[in-house]
Amino acid sequence: QVQLVESGGGVVQPGRSLRLSCAASGFAFGRHGFHWVRQAPGKGLEWVAVISYDGSNQNYADSVKGRFTVSRDNSKNSLYLQMDSLRAEDTAVYYCARDINGRWSLDYLGQGTLVTVSS
Amino acid sequence: QTVVTQEPSLTVSPGGTVTLTCASSTGAVTSSYYPNWFQQKPGQAPRALIHSTSDKHSWTPARFSGSLLGGKAALTLSGVQPEDEADYYCLLYCGGAQGHWVFGGGTKLTV
Repeated sequence: QVQLVESGGGVVQPGRSLRLSCAASGFAFGRHGFHWVRQAPGKGLEWVAVISYDGSNQNYADSVKGRFTVSRDNSKNSLYLQMDSLRAEDTAVYYCARDINGRWSLDYLGQGTLVTVSS
Repeated sequence: QTVVTQEPSLTVSPGGTVTLTCASSTGAVTSSYYPNWFQQKPGQAPRALIHSTSDKHSWTPARFSGSLLGGKAALTLSGVQPEDEADYYCLLYCGGAQGHWVFGGGTKLTV
């Protein structure tokens, strides 16, 4: 069955960096694009970033553009989110989500990992 | 920057029918926005319900349906069950060469 498992969250000081990982299993990882979605405590969902199936294309929400970088390693069935220059407002649960090829849509999401930016 | 608007809260009686909507600040929502709907219960990750306006995932209960209604995306729950009490979010594909998506603010559904 399809599984997405995020890891790498934790407490980090403002201005520092953190890298999240998403380990995928149960399907052909290299055939799908992926998204990162986040949710600040008590708030709604926010789309963060997308990466194409082969990693050649990425795009970001304006709120993270220039600070976050999405990447993938198809040989390891893994997705990553490098977060630099972190701010308090980046505090959230981060979910990875699989893209439905050709439908500009999402299907499976992981359980999320909590990132807390605080001094 | 596109803003996507949903009703903040709705209340429905068990067995009833309710429609949640999703509007875009840029104009009418069409199938080209590929509307997605997600359900989130307290303490849980979001779960996808509907994609591409009206397509259900294999796990989506039959009582959930998606459509376009009056220039908005819509999620209709027919025969509402107590377990449908949750937050519901729409997601719109807002175009661009490399893709850009925007979530609505969510609707808290009380049963």
